[in-house]
Amino acid sequence: AQKVTQAQTEISVVEKEDVTLDCVYETRDTTYYLFWYKQPPSGELVFLIRRNSFDEQNEISGRYSWNFQKSTSSFNFTITASQVVDSAVYFCALSPYTGGFKTIFGAGTRLFVKA
Amino acid sequence: DTEVTQTPKHLVMGMTNKKSLKCEQHMGHRAMYWYKQKAKKPPELMFVYSYEKLSINESVPSRFSPECPNSSLLNLHLHALQPEDSALYLCASSQLFGQRRNEKLFFGSGTQLSVL
Repeated sequence: AQKVTQAQTEISVVEKEDVTLDCVYETRDTTYYLFWYKQPPSGELVFLIRRNSFDEQNEISGRYSWNFQKSTSSFNFTITASQVVDSAVYFCALSPYTGGFKTIFGAGTRLFVKA
Repeated sequence: DTEVTQTPKHLVMGMTNKKSLKCEQHMGHRAMYWYKQKAKKPPELMFVYSYEKLSINESVPSRFSPECPNSSLLNLHLHALQPEDSALYLCASSQLFGQRRNEKLFFGSGTQLSVL
């Protein structure tokens, strides 16, 4: 069975704080993709990152960084120096590398960044 | 052009109405999706079209009828809906590379549907 768990339902921080969103996944596939999407109040899900299961390098993009640890089946997302515009719902997602179109989404973490 | 455009943005309909949701993309993506999202929940897959053919129907009630007239357009026809069908309906598209089908999804901003 495939499953994505985002244990943090809501997080509230003050602007400029760092915040980490947790994601733990389960899959029997040996190759797979992991994703993070952002959904601002406007409703559109915006792709942030895709990681292949065979590439465990961490990635940094501006204030965003991702820590992929296959040993613990985790793919955590850190926002450094958070801003009010980061307020959104963030979804971690999992999909098989080949075959099948189904992307499994976690329940989402709602992030509030207060000025 | 990296947009997925959905119309209308808001729709209110009665349970006896027939309406359609429309989705358009011009990125050359050959996979298109309909998702349903209830408030404070993740998106749930409804249908997938690949190369304009229906690939996945996630046991969606027949009152929802998808259509893919060409590689750029995706419609969702609605008929005799129930109040519990009220939700945000999201369209998405993605590239296809042979057996690699799970490239990133590009989402539209959705149609907020209210069924009275």
